[in-house]
Amino acid sequence: QSALTQIRSVSGSPGQSVTISCTGSSSDVGLYDYVSWYQQHPSEAPKLIIFDVNMRPSGVPDRFSGSKSGNTASLTISGLQAEDEADYFCCSYAGSYTHIFGSGTKVTVL
Amino acid sequence: EVRLVESGGDLVQPGGSVRLSCAASGFTFTHYAINWVRQGPGKGLEWVSGVSSSGTGTYYADSVKGRFAISRDNSENTVYLQMNSLRAEDTAVYYCVKRIGPGGFDYWGQGTLVAVSS
Repeated sequence: QSALTQIRSVSGSPGQSVTISCTGSSSDVGLYDYVSWYQQHPSEAPKLIIFDVNMRPSGVPDRFSGSKSGNTASLTISGLQAEDEADYFCCSYAGSYTHIFGSGTKVTVL
Repeated sequence: EVRLVESGGDLVQPGGSVRLSCAASGFTFTHYAINWVRQGPGKGLEWVSGVSSSGTGTYYADSVKGRFAISRDNSENTVYLQMNSLRAEDTAVYYCVKRIGPGGFDYWGQGTLVAVSS
């Protein structure tokens, strides 16, 4: 099964908003409301920032928000900050206990 | 504090084997499924395998099915990943992750590197 499709990179100035899309299929993103997003800084382990499409774990700033429409999920970072510069990966449940990750998006803060 | 500590990563030859361990603490281990996710050098994340909270259910990505075996010891709060018939494409950092359900993975270990090369 191929990775979910994410744009390779996106950039924005501090204070701006950026949106990252994650496109799957009717067998994963489109079928289940189980999309999660992970932030990964260089040489660190990924960190969960969104689960169940639009839920934030405790401690994650509310400038991070998630949504889904059809086979595409999205992560929006509002009020971009320097520390938001990182790689972001989406992940969808794909049934039968399996999960599929996205190809990853590098967010650059200009 | 939730902690997942991986160990066992090594440099192995193609066709070789290695066993990874994940020692968990800071949560009720028997209540949660534990999974392995890997990241090849400069690459994205790939879900590899998972084991149910009781250990009776085991699940694998197609890319490792028949070669890898996951297990857990609930008396030791530890999960294992036995990796056999290793290939160059298995080279990656392997992360142990705590699954909160089909919706995601809320805690990640620091990772352990498996390098497959002759």
